[in-house]
Amino acid sequence: DTAVSQTPKYLVTQMGNDKSIKCEQNLGHDTMYWYKQDSKKFLKIMFSYNNKELIINETVPNRFSPKSPDKAHLNLHINSLELGDSAVYFCASSPLGNEQFFGPGTRLTVL
Amino acid sequence: DAKTTQPPSMDCAEGRAANLPCNHSTISGNEYVYWYRQIHSQGPQYIIHGLKNNETNEMASLIITEDRKSSTLILPHATLRDTAVYYCIVHSAGNMLTFGGGTRLMVKP
Repeated sequence: DTAVSQTPKYLVTQMGNDKSIKCEQNLGHDTMYWYKQDSKKFLKIMFSYNNKELIINETVPNRFSPKSPDKAHLNLHINSLELGDSAVYFCASSPLGNEQFFGPGTRLTVL
Repeated sequence: DAKTTQPPSMDCAEGRAANLPCNHSTISGNEYVYWYRQIHSQGPQYIIHGLKNNETNEMASLIITEDRKSSTLILPHATLRDTAVYYCIVHSAGNMLTFGGGTRLMVKP
């Protein structure tokens, strides 16, 4: 059973397009996260979200928006994609304040 | 959250213990020490965490100094599959994780 899953695994798209990455967790966790890992391998938090509160890393452009249809899902929408958005995006979940469980990642390539 | 300092890379012989150090001299009283690792092309994986007592689980041991300003992650019998980047993170409940550069551990046959 996959605890945290992401789709798609690979996403190749043109500049200016709008795309979404889906994340689902079956662990019953309250909090979900999105991280970005760039070509230099630095892993940066983008969002933290539970059913009550969205915390946004202030460095994240507003072209990025998380959307949660229910507690088990946190999707990442990206508008007007730019070359610099190319990276691996990881979703994670945790019981509030405890260790995080990460998904396998989505490699986004913007051409 | 407090910052951490780790060596950028380390080597370890297969079957030997791998001891990965981490300095966190500005850690505050409510902050835990967490360790994660990232094997190539995979998502980070939680290993262990502790507040002030030493901790052990099936994956590793965590030794925290009495003043809590540094810690060591110990993999008792490293295998080739333990080759990964290991991240030491100081974190308080409710805050988001901040990953640094980590230590790239290479386990060699």
